Amino acid sequence: SAVISQKPSRDICQRGTSLTIQCQVDSQVTMMFWYRQQPGQSLTLIATANQGSEATYESGFVIDKFPISRPNLTFSTLTVSNMSPEDSSIYLCSDTIGGNYGYTFGSGTRLTVV
Amino acid sequence: GENVEQHPSTLSVQEGDSAVIKCTYSDSASNYFPWYKQELGKGPQLIIDIRSNVGEKKDQRIAVTLNKTAKHFSLHITETQPEDSAVYFCAANFGNEKLTFGTGTRLTIIP
Repeated sequence: SAVISQKPSRDICQRGTSLTIQCQVDSQVTMMFWYRQQPGQSLTLIATANQGSEATYESGFVIDKFPISRPNLTFSTLTVSNMSPEDSSIYLCSDTIGGNYGYTFGSGTRLTVV
Repeated sequence: GENVEQHPSTLSVQEGDSAVIKCTYSDSASNYFPWYKQELGKGPQLIIDIRSNVGEKKDQRIAVTLNKTAKHFSLHITETQPEDSAVYFCAANFGNEKLTFGTGTRLTIIP
């Protein structure tokens, strides 16, 4: 399975600012995903990051709030824009090589908005 | 959309005993069911998965069973050890290789 390096691991940000989270995979993967995990809760899919095209967002998540880039098959970024305290959460990236194989996760970014 | 229910939300077992966590899914088209273990401050780690063409899969002390007719699957951990304490999530695939996760089970192993 691929290994994902995610950074930053944690950050404390002022409301109204933006934070960009990066994920680097050690091998080419077909698909990359971004999740949000609120404290003590399950994982909610934000979007699928598509290589070379716009991300596909799940219901309740919009591009203006969570712009995503995926310039190649090993790298993706998620930006949390115009942050409010409600955005305080853990953000995780994930990947798969396709065919429902090898879904792995980054270690997560713990975001606190003050 | 896809819905995955997971029970129980918390589970405490004596060290050496077995633990069972159950999940049900709603989308009859789902055909891939992974289980993840998440330790504090870490991302989820895949521990076992099963596909719809088999009914059971084992890996040492961990096993997963699948009942396609009833649309439920279960995680079985035998001979539990303190390091098994964590939060466990089931998941099911839907749509274009996306996963929906259960609500999680906090497993505590009592020494």
